[in-house]
Amino acid sequence: GESVGLHLPTLSVQEGDNSIINCAYSNSASDYFIWYKQESGKGPQFIIDIRSNMDKRQGQRVTVLLNKTVKHLSLQIAATQPGDSAVYFCAERTNDYKLSFGAGTTVTVRA
Amino acid sequence: SAVISQKPSRDICQRGTSLTIQCQVDSQVTMMFWYRQQPGQSLTLIATANQGSEATYESGFVIDKFPISRPNLTFSTLTVSNMSPEDSSIYLCSVEAAGTQYFGPGTRLLVL
Repeated sequence: GESVGLHLPTLSVQEGDNSIINCAYSNSASDYFIWYKQESGKGPQFIIDIRSNMDKRQGQRVTVLLNKTVKHLSLQIAATQPGDSAVYFCAERTNDYKLSFGAGTTVTVRA
Repeated sequence: SAVISQKPSRDICQRGTSLTIQCQVDSQVTMMFWYRQQPGQSLTLIATANQGSEATYESGFVIDKFPISRPNLTFSTLTVSNMSPEDSSIYLCSVEAAGTQYFGPGTRLLVL
């Protein structure tokens, strides 16, 4: 079946460095993608989204890149801070509004 | 965005019993969703609950086990019936609002 997956389950990054989290998707019909951050004991928090008619979108310290040719999505976090330590999920959506989630990448920020 | 609350935030239950989880949204929304997140894993959609229609369940989830109510545009409940230890999970409510999906804080359920 079609699925969303993440390339790396864990990422350790030095405070102040940039982080890149990758995600592969396989459903070519997906037209909307979302990155969520989930801290321990909390629900997923919306970070940034991108529609399939775009290839880049920037937010505050975060950038999402979408490469539809190779079905790849990435989240870049600039100047990573201790508060960025969390599990990050990518999710894809088709036209029925259902989200399909990747496995999640655990980001640990080293002081 | 939408602000979502869930009750209870956590519970410990005995096998064979049932638990009803409440989800309240601060604005009217058409589409609500219930997800399950097993320990250390990703999110799996249980069902979609739209006001005025029966909930639609994903493969592997049935109404007898997870009955859902959606009485109005700001509220929904999910019941986990006849619980077993395998039902120990985080149950999350989500809504479609402003073109995206937002999640509640989750209900952490432990079944003994």
